[in-house]
Amino acid sequence: GDQVEQSPSALSLHEGTGSALRCNFTTTMRAVQWFRKNSRGSLINLFYLASGTKENGRLKSAFDSKERYSTLHIRDAQLEDSGTYFCAAEGGTGGYKVVFGSGTRLLVSP
Amino acid sequence: AQTIHQWPVAEIKAVGSPLSLGCTIKGKSSPNLYWYWQATGGTLQQLFYSITVGQVESVVQLNLSASRPKDDQFILSTEKLLLSHSGFYLCAWRDRVNTEVFFGKGTRLTVV
Repeated sequence: GDQVEQSPSALSLHEGTGSALRCNFTTTMRAVQWFRKNSRGSLINLFYLASGTKENGRLKSAFDSKERYSTLHIRDAQLEDSGTYFCAAEGGTGGYKVVFGSGTRLLVSP
Repeated sequence: AQTIHQWPVAEIKAVGSPLSLGCTIKGKSSPNLYWYWQATGGTLQQLFYSITVGQVESVVQLNLSASRPKDDQFILSTEKLLLSHSGFYLCAWRDRVNTEVFFGKGTRLTVV
């Protein structure tokens, strides 16, 4: 079945630094979405991409369907960026199926 | 603007008791609707999806059922809860395939 491998599972950053999260897909996906989970467990939409890149403030995401991956770059990390980030991909074998990655727990420290 | 509302916010239920979780989407006609579940420490799994009233497809079998009695309503239920049903349940909607998915705030279920 369709699989999404998300890495790293945990990430620690100092304020002002940056890094990238990555999701690899075992099959060709049509689109990817990135979320941040807030303290209550709600999923906050960050990006939806069917191709290419999108940028919003200090976040930038890229999706390459052919190479089967997506990335989420965080630059100039702030304390409020801490949380768990998920990618979710759709496509592959099931038209309505959306498969989630296992999440990246980000901790930004002073 | 579209809004999605899930109820209840949280629930503690006994093993073997029935369950009904609700989800309502306002401001959007004929949305695609989804139920997701996340066990504590686990990955979000898609349980059901529905593209139209009265039509529900199962993705993962967890001894749960779903129904869509109205265009804007999606119900998740079971007659007998298991301990393994504990977790966080999320309802989601989108306009159609290949568009952004929007999630509700979720229901935290504890089965004891």
